Amino acid sequence: DAGVIQSPRHEVTEMGQEVTLRCKPISGHDYLFWYRQTMMRGLELLIYFNNNVPIDDSGMPEDRFSAKMPNASFSTLKIQPSEPRDSAVYFCASSRAAIADTQYFGPGTRLTVL
Amino acid sequence: KNQVEQSPQSLIILEGKNCTLQCNYTVSPFSNLRWYKQDTGRGPVSLTIMTFSENTKSNGRYTATLDADTKQSSLHITASQLSDSASYICVVSWNSGGYQKVTFGIGTKLQVIP
Repeated sequence: DAGVIQSPRHEVTEMGQEVTLRCKPISGHDYLFWYRQTMMRGLELLIYFNNNVPIDDSGMPEDRFSAKMPNASFSTLKIQPSEPRDSAVYFCASSRAAIADTQYFGPGTRLTVL
Repeated sequence: KNQVEQSPQSLIILEGKNCTLQCNYTVSPFSNLRWYKQDTGRGPVSLTIMTFSENTKSNGRYTATLDADTKQSSLHITASQLSDSASYICVVSWNSGGYQKVTFGIGTKLQVIP
């Protein structure tokens, strides 16, 4: 299995631009998670899906952030407009059964907003 | 407030020595506790998971303990190796309003030197 795939691995953009991060979960996993990691705050859960349906988006910082999962093998996290404080590493993870189950993380997307 | 605190923030040890990392949490009602290892530039990887009724779990040279009464967990690394250099993250799952949630500690950064 290829594991969780994320793209791009690195993204540098200017403030105000739209950013789209992509994720392909492990086949057969029913849960997909988006996280943000910074030095100051560590890992923060932004949103998670069960069978393509958003279950808990209480971690999404504000309306500039949106996430979609149009099918079982693809999800996007979009930031529009981006701001310098959005600079972080964004991880996608998937699990078979539940949020408390073992989560398998992708390699992350390092986002820098200038 | 549901929190997870880890100590120390960072640690340097000599190769071959043992070390213990601490995790205290205020999460309630508790579901399970997991330790993740995160190598630099990569996503976290699960090491151990413990439920309320378990007080110790081993994975090779890694042994996690849990005291659900005092809400404390520790991760003990035996005979450290250079490859143990990483961040170790404590994650606690809990239930809220019919949903499971997770709270991450900020991690302990371990450096093993020759």
